[in-house]
Amino acid sequence: DAKTTQPTSMDCAEGRAANLPCNHSTISGNEYVYWYRQIHSQGPQYIIHGLKNNETNEMASLIITEDRKSSTLILPHATLRDTAVYYCIVRLNRDDKIIFGKGTRLHILP
Amino acid sequence: DVKVTQSSRYLVKRTGEKVFLECVQDMDHENMFWYRQDPGLGLRLIYFSYDVKMKEKGDIPEGYSVSREKKERFSLILESASTNQTSMYLCASSSPGVFNEQYFGPGTRLTVT
Repeated sequence: DAKTTQPTSMDCAEGRAANLPCNHSTISGNEYVYWYRQIHSQGPQYIIHGLKNNETNEMASLIITEDRKSSTLILPHATLRDTAVYYCIVRLNRDDKIIFGKGTRLHILP
Repeated sequence: DVKVTQSSRYLVKRTGEKVFLECVQDMDHENMFWYRQDPGLGLRLIYFSYDVKMKEKGDIPEGYSVSREKKERFSLILESASTNQTSMYLCASSSPGVFNEQYFGPGTRLTVT
């Protein structure tokens, strides 16, 4: 699986959009980008995934650059409950193993 | 509602004890995983299983073994617990296939004294 690079921590004001970047410059053509988050004292939770196109669901949007070397997770209206560690992961479409890095600790400020 | 449960939220054991951590999922998932999570190191995969009685080593299997006798249950065994195995242990499950998001349990915080 390709390695990912994320900032260690970020702050965002409540009600604003939180934009979490991820670099994955060695991603290969058949690897997907996945995002999980982990709220304190809970197990990780799946958020969204994508291959080439931008994706949106009820939780977030995923923007993948055209060269696929980086992506951004967008939480459109951050709330205090979005305070968590966010993990960006790239993985093969047929490989069930997921390698978690250290993630980004997102603090939502009131 | 999908569910992965772990037998204990908190556990304290002594060095040298044999420790069993149990994980049960009710989603009929084929794949199950055990991770440990330590500050500054993120989640690290210990073992995983694609099917009943099948197991594969993850990135840090040393000091651990696993058992999968039934599809819904995946046990992590510490044969002789050591203090460096004090950690948060997370179980997850997923169905096979391309878009197989993993569902995680709440975790077991194990302290070995």
